[in-house]
Amino acid sequence: NAGVTQTPKFRVLKTGQSMTLLCAQDMNHEYMYWYRQDPGMGLRLIHYSVGEGTTAKGEVPDGYNVSRLKKQNFLLGLESAAPSQTSVYFCASRTPGQGGTGELFFGEGSRLTVL
Amino acid sequence: AQSVTQLGSHVSVSEGALVLLRCNYSSSVPPYLFWYVQYPNQGLQLLLKYTSAATLVKGINGFEAEFKKSETSFHLTKPSAHMSDAAEYFCAVNPKGFKTIFGAGTRLFVKA
Repeated sequence: NAGVTQTPKFRVLKTGQSMTLLCAQDMNHEYMYWYRQDPGMGLRLIHYSVGEGTTAKGEVPDGYNVSRLKKQNFLLGLESAAPSQTSVYFCASRTPGQGGTGELFFGEGSRLTVL
Repeated sequence: AQSVTQLGSHVSVSEGALVLLRCNYSSSVPPYLFWYVQYPNQGLQLLLKYTSAATLVKGINGFEAEFKKSETSFHLTKPSAHMSDAAEYFCAVNPKGFKTIFGAGTRLFVKA
């Protein structure tokens, strides 16, 4: 039972390079999320999706793009990486709890360093 | 906007002592509230959640939290700390929508 799987787990980029983080979930969840975690700031929502083919902006969407072409996958892209995007990125998916009672299931994180 | 505030970025207790991690929320209506735990180099996992069924909520590993509307609080407690409880704990709120908002986190240290 894989749950939520993120790839890659580690990546080092140079400023201006692009990359894509892949998130895959096997729980048939409708909702998927990308968060970034920085020391002392908790988790901040980048983008989220409430279903295949839909995406929406979270708290800190600038510099990121996302796509949800398949229900089980949620991709996070950095078009032109900046040092401020050095962070640990977490993907999560949510149980279909009514009205927001569903818990989040997290991947193990992707640590990105931008030089 | 909905938010949560966790008091204390670091808490240190001795093994066997009471654990108390504080969380206050801001909301015009009672929201759904969660506590998640993050062990080193891992993702977050759910400890417990409040969904308006009962104000005292029991979770995994002996943790519990009490929802107090009058104080807009949802503090996490455990009667007796164990070394394995050392981790970072996050309070989160879901204001009955799609998005879950997290607090800044409290790192718990347990001394032998």
